[in-house]
Amino acid sequence: NAGVTQTPKFQVLKTGQSMTLQCAQDMNHNSMYWYRQDPGMGLRLIYYSASEGTTDKGEVPNGYNVSRLNKREFSLRLESAAPSQTSVYFCASSGHNQETQYFGPGTRLLVL
Amino acid sequence: EDQVTQSPEALRLQEGESSSLNCSYTVSGLRGLFWYRQDPGKGPEFLFTLYSAGEEKEKERLKATLTKKESFLHITAPKPEDSATYLCAVRTALDYKLSFGAGTTVTVRA
Repeated sequence: NAGVTQTPKFQVLKTGQSMTLQCAQDMNHNSMYWYRQDPGMGLRLIYYSASEGTTDKGEVPNGYNVSRLNKREFSLRLESAAPSQTSVYFCASSGHNQETQYFGPGTRLLVL
Repeated sequence: EDQVTQSPEALRLQEGESSSLNCSYTVSGLRGLFWYRQDPGKGPEFLFTLYSAGEEKEKERLKATLTKKESFLHITAPKPEDSATYLCAVRTALDYKLSFGAGTTVTVRA
């Protein structure tokens, strides 16, 4: 039982490049989330998926898109990366009552 | 708008020196207050959920308490392995979102 896994662990992009961050969970959770974490700030919600086939914007969705591929997988795409998107990205999931969220190990992204 | 403020930003302790971290919040209809531990380079690890004022939960050297306006995380006789950033988050009855504080970084020296 791996919990929440994320790939890649680290990525360097040039401004304007695109990439997809992958997230998978094996806890049979319905809800999945993408956050970003920046120094001195709390985790901020980018997008959320309550269940397979649904997605909603969070606090900071601009510049990102998401896909809930199936119940296990939730991906985050940067279509045209900007230096302001340099951050650590965390994926999380929660069970049917959407209470406790369990986090993955993070993806560290540097946009030059 | 929900607000979560954690203090202090950083806390340096000697091994065995007990202390408390504060999480104050302003929300409409608290549905849960969550404490997480985050080690450098890793994702947040769930510690506790508190639901109502007066509730307390314990895990090893950690004890979390909740009032109507704030929560405390007490660290009793800390060890170096308790060094981490502790995050507080709140959830309201309105939706699924967690609002996080910026965290308190605890360093425990042997």
